Amino acid sequence: GAVVSQHPSWVICKSGTSVKIECRSLDFQATTMFWYRQFPKQSLMLMATSNEGSKATYEQGVEKDKFLINHASLTLSTLTVTSAHPEDSSFYICSVGGSLNEQFFGPGTRLTVL
Amino acid sequence: GENVEQHPSTLSVQEGDSAVIKCTYSDSASNYFPWYKQELGKRPQLIIDIRSNVGEKKDQRIAVTLNKTAKHFSLHITETQPEDSAVYFCAASRDLGFQKLVFGTGTRLLVSP
Repeated sequence: GAVVSQHPSWVICKSGTSVKIECRSLDFQATTMFWYRQFPKQSLMLMATSNEGSKATYEQGVEKDKFLINHASLTLSTLTVTSAHPEDSSFYICSVGGSLNEQFFGPGTRLTVL
Repeated sequence: GENVEQHPSTLSVQEGDSAVIKCTYSDSASNYFPWYKQELGKRPQLIIDIRSNVGEKKDQRIAVTLNKTAKHFSLHITETQPEDSAVYFCAASRDLGFQKLVFGTGTRLLVSP
């Protein structure tokens, strides 16, 4: 399957600051990437679908102005959490769509907002 | 939209026993059903998947069965080992291009030596 990396693996920031998370597809040209959020002991919740060269598609209830997604190349998508607050603390995971509709996940980024 | 229910939420077995996790889905158009294993603090890893043209698929100690009429699918793990302990998620999607996955709520499997 596709090899996916994320950076950083963990980040601590102050309330009100912005944090950028990178998702890279290392061996596969990904026209589509997905961003998920996972709270402790909960399932993965899709936040948005990131499309290379076009605007992301956000799920209902996800604020597009707060969670900025940029997918400028076939190997990189970024998620920026703007004006982060403690309730944004979570595990953020990206995935890359494979050729057979499967998804391969990055290692995740643990965000803690103080 | 699609809704996926997963049971049980926790499952404790003895090493060597079998474990079965069941999921039901609501969208009759869904035809791709993967299972993921997630260890604490790590990424979900695809362990097996099945598409609607197949009723059962096996990979060593892991098998998945699908009943499209009843809209449910199950994960079967035989001869469980302590390293099988993890959270398992089922998911469903339509098999058309890059369709989003809808995940179940997860099952925490604990295999005791």
